[in-house]
Amino acid sequence: AQTVTQSQPEMSVQEAETVTLSCTYDTSESDYYLFWYKQPPSRQMILVIRQEAYKQQNATENRFSVNFQKAAKSFSLKISDSQLGDAAMYFCAYRSGANSKLTFGKGITLSVRP
Amino acid sequence: KAGVTQTPRYLIKTRGQQVTLSCSPISGHRSVSWYQQTPGQGLQFLFEYFSETQRNKGNFPGRFSGRQFSNSRSEMNVSTLELGDSALYLCASSWGTYTEAFFGQGTRLTVV
Repeated sequence: AQTVTQSQPEMSVQEAETVTLSCTYDTSESDYYLFWYKQPPSRQMILVIRQEAYKQQNATENRFSVNFQKAAKSFSLKISDSQLGDAAMYFCAYRSGANSKLTFGKGITLSVRP
Repeated sequence: KAGVTQTPRYLIKTRGQQVTLSCSPISGHRSVSWYQQTPGQGLQFLFEYFSETQRNKGNFPGRFSGRQFSNSRSEMNVSTLELGDSALYLCASSWGTYTEAFFGQGTRLTVV
């Protein structure tokens, strides 16, 4: 079974600074996808970024980028120029290429200091 | 384009009752998945429906069931509610297996 581990329950960052959220996963599959989702206080899960396992290039979406280390099964999220609106819970998630089921990590609460 | 709509947003039920939650996916999306979110267990997959067929199921008791209609709207039913069923229930829709899942705002169920 696939597992996703987010070992840091909380992190804090100063506004305009950069923060990196860590995630590791375990799988024996070769075809899979990795995601970072943001859950603000409104509780709606918002997709931040997606990475296909077969792609060597790290995904980037504006201020958000990932460091995907396939051999190490590591998938960290870097948020540059942090903004107050980035404060939320962030979940790392895994999806097999064979189905739509998402396996989530426990999440990390990110706070942004003004 | 309207997002994923879940109704109701909040529910309070008594232990032993049953409850039905509804999810309307984004127009054109054929896959609907349900997740339970609790502080202790985190986010856990309940089941997925695709074109009215249950395609995948998580490790939940038979009290949890679902269905999908021809218009892709989905309902989730929990019978004989227990206190431990109190959770945020999230619905996600996607066009197909290999596309992103978009989530609704969830239904907060409280069992008393």
